[in-house]
Amino acid sequence: NAGVTQTPKFQVLKTGQSMTLQCAQDMNHEYMSWYRQDPGMGLRLIHYSVGAGITDQGEVPNGYNVSRSTTEDFPLRLLSAAPSQTSVYFCASSYRIENTEAFFGQGTRLTVV
Amino acid sequence: GQSLEQPSEVTAVEGAIVQINCTYQTSGFYGLSWYQQHDGGAPTFLSYNALDGLEETGRFSSFLSRSDSYGYLLLQELQMKDSASYFCAALHSGYALNFGKGTSLLVTP
Repeated sequence: NAGVTQTPKFQVLKTGQSMTLQCAQDMNHEYMSWYRQDPGMGLRLIHYSVGAGITDQGEVPNGYNVSRSTTEDFPLRLLSAAPSQTSVYFCASSYRIENTEAFFGQGTRLTVV
Repeated sequence: GQSLEQPSEVTAVEGAIVQINCTYQTSGFYGLSWYQQHDGGAPTFLSYNALDGLEETGRFSSFLSRSDSYGYLLLQELQMKDSASYFCAALHSGYALNFGKGTSLLVTP
């Protein structure tokens, strides 16, 4: 049982490049979400999904897209990377949103130069 | 909007008790969670309060007062390994889980 798997663990992008951060969970969880973590800012919600085919915006959605075509996968796409998107990104999942024991992936450390 | 306030840093001595407070302003509030994060690691779940009162899990307890929009995490018999960041997180009716900025706890010998 792998839990929540994020790839890659580290990534360096040039300004203007696009990329997709991958997130997969094997726990049959309905709810998945993406956060970014910056020093002194805590975890800020980017996008979330309450089930396959359903996504919604969080606090800081600009510059990011998501889709949820399967229960297992919830990729985060950066459309045109900017230095302000340098951050650590965490994907999380929980069985139901009402069950707030969220399980986090190990994070992706992204640097945009 | 949603906002959660918690102290940025707390220092305590090994073996002592420490309380980390969290106040929130959240429309459609469902409940308050607490997470622990060690440096370089991922957040891990500690507790969740949907109703007023105290929830106890081993050395950790969490309290919620919905009327005061206030909660706290209580850590007893502090150990060096408890040095970490602690986050409160509010679940609201939009089905989003929003986190506070975190409290850095330093446990000293």
